[in-house]
Amino acid sequence: AQTVTQSQPEMSVQEAETVTLSCTYDTSESDYYLFWYKQPPSRQMILVIRQEAYKQQNATENRFSVNFQKAAKSFSLKISDSQLGDAAMYFCAYTGSGNTPLVFGKGTRLSVIA
Amino acid sequence: DGGITQSPKYLFRKEGQNVTLSCEQNLNHDAMYWYRQDPGQGLRLIYYSQIVNDFQKGDIAEGYSVSREKKESFPLTVTSAQKNPTAFYLCASSILSAKVYGYTFGSGTRLTVV
Repeated sequence: AQTVTQSQPEMSVQEAETVTLSCTYDTSESDYYLFWYKQPPSRQMILVIRQEAYKQQNATENRFSVNFQKAAKSFSLKISDSQLGDAAMYFCAYTGSGNTPLVFGKGTRLSVIA
Repeated sequence: DGGITQSPKYLFRKEGQNVTLSCEQNLNHDAMYWYRQDPGQGLRLIYYSQIVNDFQKGDIAEGYSVSREKKESFPLTVTSAQKNPTAFYLCASSILSAKVYGYTFGSGTRLTVV
């Protein structure tokens, strides 16, 4: 079974600085999809960014970008120019090439210090 | 506006009672999912359904039951067999292949045993 590991339960960053959240996964598939979700204190889950494994180019969405290392099975999220509103739980998720549900990591709680 | 609605927001259960959590979507999504969120555990899959009148067990289905009589609705019943039901429950929906756009999540139900 596929597994997703987020090794940093908690992280903090100074406002306006850059922070990187780690995610690794285990799979035997060559075609798969990876996601980062944000869960702010409201607990509403929000999709941050999505990456297709067959695409070499790293996905970016405004201040959010990923470093996708397929050989290392690593999918880290970089948040640039951190803002107070970025404080949240961040979940990494994986799904394979079929119609399978997402598998989530345990999450990283990010604090932003003013 | 299209979306996914979970109710109630807070629910209290006495020992030995069954309770039902509601999840309704008007996105015309084929697939619907139930996850349980506990501190430090991430999101764990309880059940999912990809077509009306059919559903599949997830990783932690014991003590839970679901139905999918309508495309729009996927209620979750927490039975008295679930020994530790206190948790935050998230419902999600997607097109059949979640890899394309990921999930749309509801706002969650917090269940507490009293």
